[in-house]
Amino acid sequence: EAQVTQNPRYLITVTGKKLTVTCSQNMNHEYMSWYRQDPGLGLRQIYYSMNVEVTDKGDVPEGYKVSRKEKRNFPLILESPSPNQTSLYFCASRRGNEQFFGPGTRLTVL
Amino acid sequence: AQSVTQLGSHVSVSEGALVLLRCNYSSSVPPYLFWYVQYPNQGLQLLLKYTSAATLVKGINGFEAEFKKSETSFHLTKPSAHMSDAAEYFCAVSEGTSYGKLTFGQGTILTVHP
Repeated sequence: EAQVTQNPRYLITVTGKKLTVTCSQNMNHEYMSWYRQDPGLGLRQIYYSMNVEVTDKGDVPEGYKVSRKEKRNFPLILESPSPNQTSLYFCASRRGNEQFFGPGTRLTVL
Repeated sequence: AQSVTQLGSHVSVSEGALVLLRCNYSSSVPPYLFWYVQYPNQGLQLLLKYTSAATLVKGINGFEAEFKKSETSFHLTKPSAHMSDAAEYFCAVSEGTSYGKLTFGQGTILTVHP
């Protein structure tokens, strides 16, 4: 089944404790991206990647890092999480003009 | 720069009534437009898309949207609401090319009453 998977689905952590949210797609898509969803703000792009080893900032990149060492994986790294990064995070991969979204990761930073 | 405005963060309708969710966009070049639906505790699913072909676009689950350039609008409609349509709906725009960056609206939560 073609899909985008994310792990973990739910995470509660404390300020300053580094964490990684994994994202993997099995559709051989070149373009992948990360979004955060906050009430009343819709989805905002954090980072995107056009291909392996090619990444760029989206609209809200501060406090986040990404890497793209292989086509299928695009992890999101929070080196020192803060409470304002409490949000719902979505990974997506893209084929043409259609994006395929993962199920989301709900992150709470205390 | 591109932007999307969804009018009304919450819309409530009765089952069987018309659903109308409003979306206005801003784009300096011909846009590609999308509607996504998000059911509770799920990711986003593409409902329909406009990519410069027919201005009236039909999507899944009986939804359709009409691209009106003169009004810079892409409103989503469904003639008869069903309880299963209750979800959050997002309008999105991609400027210039279908491969371009997607910018999302704020979202509209649709509630359907029996």
